[in-house]
Amino acid sequence: DAGVTQSPTHLIKTRGQQVTLRCSPKSGHDTVSWYQQALGQGPQFIFQYYEEEERQRGNFPDRFSGHQFPNYSSELNVNALLLGDSALYLCASSQRGFSVETQYFGPGTRLLVL
Amino acid sequence: SQQGEEDPQALSIQEGENATMNCSYKTSINNLQWYRQNSGRGLVHLILIRSNEREKHSGRLRVTLDTSKKSSSLLITASRAADTASYFCATTATGTASKLTFGTGTRLQVTL
Repeated sequence: DAGVTQSPTHLIKTRGQQVTLRCSPKSGHDTVSWYQQALGQGPQFIFQYYEEEERQRGNFPDRFSGHQFPNYSSELNVNALLLGDSALYLCASSQRGFSVETQYFGPGTRLLVL
Repeated sequence: SQQGEEDPQALSIQEGENATMNCSYKTSINNLQWYRQNSGRGLVHLILIRSNEREKHSGRLRVTLDTSKKSSSLLITASRAADTASYFCATTATGTASKLTFGTGTRLQVTL
């Protein structure tokens, strides 16, 4: 049973560029959440997708956008990259409808903005 | 923003000793979870405790929750070198479905 997968594992971009990160959820899961983790900090919630719609959003600017596909996979897009966007981006999947939704995390994509 | 803080920020113990780390949070919660992260990679789910539970065990892990003090503790007994990692608590606040709010983490170093 494949867990959560993310691609790419590492990425280097320059300021002003745009980036797309990808996530495939764990088999049987229908909800995908994205988190940003700066060095030495805990992850911070960016947004969550369910049924191809953004359901919740954290305190991130509109430069951060996402998409969920019919097969439940998801993309995170960041436009006009800033140096401060350098971080580990984590995708987590879960299954709605359960009384408690345990989230399973992927290995992350490490983004460096120069 | 972070939900709360974990204490201590860093902990160094010898193999075989017990490790205790604490987490404080700010809002009413549905549940609290603990995760482990090795070398800045993905998070591994360790244990979940619901707001109406006070203590939970899983193998060498023991978690307590005190909602009146808005705090939780994670005890790892008989630690091993492989337990070396960062540990995070994460809460799901009431009314926020499955959105996780993480603490700042405790870096645990277990030496031989």
